[in-house]
Amino acid sequence: GDSVTQMEGPVTLSEEACLTINCTYTATGYPSLFWYVQYPGEGLQLLLKATKADDKGSNKGFEATYRKETTSFHLEKGSVQVSDSAVYFCALSAKNTGNQFYFGTGTSLTVIP
Amino acid sequence: DAGVIQSPRHEVTEMGQEVTLRCKPISGHNSLFWYRQTMMRGLELLIYFNNNVPIDDSGMPEDRFSAKMPNASFSTLKIQPSEPRDSAVYFCASGRLAGGRNEQFFGPGTRLTVL
Repeated sequence: GDSVTQMEGPVTLSEEACLTINCTYTATGYPSLFWYVQYPGEGLQLLLKATKADDKGSNKGFEATYRKETTSFHLEKGSVQVSDSAVYFCALSAKNTGNQFYFGTGTSLTVIP
Repeated sequence: DAGVIQSPRHEVTEMGQEVTLRCKPISGHNSLFWYRQTMMRGLELLIYFNNNVPIDDSGMPEDRFSAKMPNASFSTLKIQPSEPRDSAVYFCASGRLAGGRNEQFFGPGTRLTVL
């Protein structure tokens, strides 16, 4: 079945460091891919998405490129800030699975000043 | 636009009591999802609806859990009787599949504590 695997955390970085959170997926159809972010005490918020191969999603300095050949959707940011501290979830959704979303286990990021 | 609305935001109850969580999805959305989040198990999909019809309830842990969606603007998740291991944050999310777009928007969650 469809699934998402993301790198385990927690990840701790200094401010202005580069961030990469790996995400790979398994899907029988042609999924859309998403990154969600969850700040402490809040629900998940959509950070960015890509709906087809080679699409790049971007938002708030974060980027992820839909790589069909490597079945990956890694999240990157060139310079993280303390305010980026949160849990990040990779997810996929496909029409052939009734638009159900499959979430990764989440990666906790802490950015220290 | 109002986002997904959940109530209550916090619920503390005693073991054996009935708990009802409520969700109002975003207007115009045709899919609704109930999730449970705990430190031990992460984010788990409990059940989801398309056009008010339950599509997959395989994530509902036990018969003590039930969910309804009587109309497009309201859903409930009921636990009866509640147990301490049900303590978690319960999220409702809604989405709309239109023109190939497919996104999910989460509510703020209900933090349930069963004593």
